Amino acid sequence: DAKTTQPPSMDCAEGRAANLPCNHSTISGNEYVYWYRQIHSQGPQYIIHGLKNNETNEMASLIITEDRKSSTLILPHATLRDTAVYYCIVRGTGNQFYFGTGTSLTVIP
Amino acid sequence: NAGVTQTPKFRILKIGQSMTLQCTQDMNHNYMYWYRQDPGMGLKLIYYSVGAGITDKGEVPNGYNVSRSTTEDFPLRLELAAPSQTSVYFCASSHPRITNEKLFFGSGTQLSVL
Repeated sequence: DAKTTQPPSMDCAEGRAANLPCNHSTISGNEYVYWYRQIHSQGPQYIIHGLKNNETNEMASLIITEDRKSSTLILPHATLRDTAVYYCIVRGTGNQFYFGTGTSLTVIP
Repeated sequence: NAGVTQTPKFRILKIGQSMTLQCTQDMNHNYMYWYRQDPGMGLKLIYYSVGAGITDKGEVPNGYNVSRSTTEDFPLRLELAAPSQTSVYFCASSHPRITNEKLFFGSGTQLSVL
């Protein structure tokens, strides 16, 4: 399964869009990109996933580049409750999800 | 709907003791996973199971054992606990058709080995 690289931390002003990048340069054609977040010490929560098309749901949007080597998670209007660690995961044909160290997002009032 | 339930929530062990962390899910998910999370770090996969009677190792299986006798239960066994096993343990489940592979997590078990 492909490895992912994320910045360790980011800040975002409340009400602004939070754009969280992820590099997955070794991704292969059948590997999906998943995003999860972890608030405090709770279990991670699913946000969104995609293969090659951009995806949007009630929580966020996922933009995947045409070559699929990177993606961006967009929280359109960040709130204080979005402060969390965000994990980008590439899942392959196996059944394992490997989490990296993620990006710690702090939403500033 | 209880989802994924882990017990206990907290436990302190002495070095060399053993214990079983319990995980049960009521969503009829066939895939189940055990992760550990050390302070300030991401989650590491310990073991996973794709169905009753089938288990496989993840990234960090040493010092742990699992079994999957039923769809609902996936206990994690620690034999001869060591301080390096101090961590928060998360159990998760998923199903390729029911959840489209999305993982559902329990609330975690905080384990200290002293």
